[in-house]
Amino acid sequence: DSGVTQTPKHLITATGQRVTLRCSPRSGDLSVYWYQQSLDQGLQFLIHYYNGEERAKGNILERFSAQQFPDLHSELNLSSLELGDSALYFCASSPQTGYSYEQYFGPGTRLTVT
Amino acid sequence: GQQLNQSPQSMFIQEGEDVSMNCTSSSIFNTWLWYKQDPGEGPVLLIALYKAGELTSNGRLTAQFGITRKDSFLNISASIPSDVGIYFCAGQLMYSGGGADGLTFGKGTHLIIQP
Repeated sequence: DSGVTQTPKHLITATGQRVTLRCSPRSGDLSVYWYQQSLDQGLQFLIHYYNGEERAKGNILERFSAQQFPDLHSELNLSSLELGDSALYFCASSPQTGYSYEQYFGPGTRLTVT
Repeated sequence: GQQLNQSPQSMFIQEGEDVSMNCTSSSIFNTWLWYKQDPGEGPVLLIALYKAGELTSNGRLTAQFGITRKDSFLNISASIPSDVGIYFCAGQLMYSGGGADGLTFGKGTHLIIQP
């Protein structure tokens, strides 16, 4: 158990809909990263938040957005969903102090768009 | 963007054999990490490497950060059935003002134990 929690575990929705994925980082970790894993693209970095502020964007679509709240949990919002958005979505947390930049992954949310 | 070439794509091994896999990049990274992923679960961190040339062990696992900063390898000694899974290498860059960027992942190495 990495200490990172994600909800829900599974999500099934229709094209055009909007969903919100939730992530709680390990206790004390200020950084949250979001990743998408699909068969054709592999594991891809989407976005990074540190202590409530956006730090970097990766291959994130404009239809996707995220935020990190004062209690450090984060939400990834996916809108106008398309079939191709079906994937596993992971968040990872990191302490980001000293030399501790390792990222610890949560169990993921499996999104199926029908 | 940067791409990592991870090889081999899959390995069929006998229990007890040693395993070796590697990752190469067209550009440098500040940190190399190795993860293992079981079906339906999140990647689990195995080893993190922070300095060029660094050799680090974690039980039966040994990994090295290449001196050029563009490659890394992972060795598993005396494989056991629970070693089955997908192993990913990941490279990480540091921001100029401190902190670490998102990971760039390889495509993974599928480790399969032959009966």
